[in-house]
Amino acid sequence: KAGVTQTPRYLIKTRGQQVTLSCSPISGHRSVSWYQQTPGQGLQFLFEYFSETQRNKGNFPGRFSGRQFSNSRSEMNVSTLELGDSALYLCASSTTPSEGDTQYFGPGTRLTVL
Amino acid sequence: QKEVEQNSGPLSVPEGAIASLNCTYSDRGSQSFFWYRQYSGKSPELIMSIYSNGDKEDGRFTAQLNKASQYVSLLIRDSQPSDSATYLCAAYYSSYKLIFGSGTRLLVRP
Repeated sequence: KAGVTQTPRYLIKTRGQQVTLSCSPISGHRSVSWYQQTPGQGLQFLFEYFSETQRNKGNFPGRFSGRQFSNSRSEMNVSTLELGDSALYLCASSTTPSEGDTQYFGPGTRLTVL
Repeated sequence: QKEVEQNSGPLSVPEGAIASLNCTYSDRGSQSFFWYRQYSGKSPELIMSIYSNGDKEDGRFTAQLNKASQYVSLLIRDSQPSDSATYLCAAYYSSYKLIFGSGTRLLVRP
């Protein structure tokens, strides 16, 4: 079974631009979570989607948004990019959002904001 | 208080030794806990999950959970240089939120 895929793998943007990242979960997985990882803050929860509904959101500004499609694929968008948004963005999928369901990570998208 | 706390390390052990990684969490309601391993430049990969008090063994890895003390640990027996990585502890909080610690960097010296 194919793993979680994320596109693109690398992105370079400039301040003020916006960016869209894509995540395809493992086949049969319906829950998708997004995380931001930086050296200083570690792995931080952005949001979680299940059945096209955002069920929880981390402490990030409204510039960070996401959505999930009927096939469980998910996208996240960051508008008005700031230098501090440079990070590894990780997507993880699980069968359901139930506590205890293991989350499996994709390879991540490395975003650099200049 | 951070929701999930880990010592950042690095924890340095000789090859063949037991590496002991520790984690504490703040939410008494948490019921599910995970250990992930992350190599530099790679994404986290699951090592073990644990849900009940006590020990859970899988090969060279043993996870230990003590809900009364809000403490989770991971023991790696017969440590190998290939085990050198950052180990992330994670706990499920309410509302479908998996919270990660900042990770402990493990170095296994040949």
